[in-house]
Amino acid sequence: DTAVSQTPKYLVTQMGNDKSIKCEQNLGHDTMYWYKQDSKKFLKIMFSYNNKELIINETVPNRFSPKSPDKAHLNLHINSLELGDSAVYFCASSQLEMGGQTQYFGPGTRLLVL
Amino acid sequence: GDSVTQMEGPVTLSEEAFLTINCTYTATGYPSLFWYVQYPGEGLQLLLKATKADDKGSNKGFEATYRKETTSFHLEKGSVQVSDSAVYFCALSDIYGNNRLAFGKGNQVVVIP
Repeated sequence: DTAVSQTPKYLVTQMGNDKSIKCEQNLGHDTMYWYKQDSKKFLKIMFSYNNKELIINETVPNRFSPKSPDKAHLNLHINSLELGDSAVYFCASSQLEMGGQTQYFGPGTRLLVL
Repeated sequence: GDSVTQMEGPVTLSEEAFLTINCTYTATGYPSLFWYVQYPGEGLQLLLKATKADDKGSNKGFEATYRKETTSFHLEKGSVQVSDSAVYFCALSDIYGNNRLAFGKGNQVVVIP
């Protein structure tokens, strides 16, 4: 059983297009995250939702809009894609109420903007 | 803000050699510390963690001890295998930061047969 899944795994698109990445977790966690990994492998938090409520919103262009329809899903919509958006996007989930909780990561979505 | 610093550069070593990857952190609260591993083309997997000072995390022959006095969480393995080739990330999280993970830059480890 896949714990955290993302679709699509690969996404190649033209500048200016709008695209969405979907994430689902079946671990029963109450919190989900989006991270961006750049070409140098550096990972940075973008957003987090706890029980469908936005709790982390880092300095990310407002072309990026997360949506959480329920606790098990967190989608990322990107408008007007730019070359610099090319990266690997990882979804993760965990329980929030105690510290030290392990975050479980999805396999990543490799986005290439041409 | 909270941050993690890993030693610069890739690490190349021979099979059965001793591996050390240094990690130091800066945090205002009482963070939990993690090592994640990323195999080629895959997502991140938890390797080990420690949630309070002097705790030792261990898994698959890897170990790291949470040292509050030196704000460090160095990763060690006594005898590496080719299958340990991957990118290793040190990270911290703090409940006061809503458990966001702050990552170090990662170290590419290449083990040569």
